[in-house]
Amino acid sequence: NAGVTQTPKFQVLKTGQSMTLQCAQDMNHNSMYWYRQDPGMGLRLIYYSASEGTTDKGEVPNGYNVSRLNKREFSLRLESAAPSQTSVYFCASSEVGAGANVLTFGAGSRLTVL
Amino acid sequence: SQQGEEDPQALSIQEGENATMNCSYKTSINNLQWYRQNSGRGLVHLILIRSNEREKHSGRLRVTLDTSKKSSSLLITASRAADTASYFCAPGGYQKVTFGTGTKLQVIP
Repeated sequence: NAGVTQTPKFQVLKTGQSMTLQCAQDMNHNSMYWYRQDPGMGLRLIYYSASEGTTDKGEVPNGYNVSRLNKREFSLRLESAAPSQTSVYFCASSEVGAGANVLTFGAGSRLTVL
Repeated sequence: SQQGEEDPQALSIQEGENATMNCSYKTSINNLQWYRQNSGRGLVHLILIRSNEREKHSGRLRVTLDTSKKSSSLLITASRAADTASYFCAPGGYQKVTFGTGTKLQVIP
């Protein structure tokens, strides 16, 4: 039972390069999320997807795009990476039920933009 | 959705002592969650308390919720070195879940 799997775990990019962070969950959850965490900070929501086929902006969406490919997968794309996007990225998934929305997180993807 | 504000920002205690951290929020909620993050790892859900509950226990964890004061507290009793982590509250909600900057707890053996 893998839970939430993120790839890659580490990535180094040069300014202006593009890349896609992949996230997959095997819990049949409807909702999926992307967060970023900068050193010593909390998590900031980038985008989320309440269900397959829908996506919504979070607190810090600029510079990112997302795709909810199917129920299992939610990818985050950086079209032109900037040093300010150096961060640890976390994917999470949840099933809203019984009046609560409990998230399960992946292990994180550490991105450095030079 | 709304962010919670955790207090204190950092807390250092001796192993065996109790640790208390607080969360304040601004608007009405349906429930409030607490999560733990060990260094560099993803958050792990600890406990959820609903708006009609005042107190909830899970092992060494005790959570209280005061909706009139818009605040919650997390008590960890008989702390262990393995409790060293950052703790985040998430007041909410049914959809977007957002987090504050957390309380960084250090338990000294």
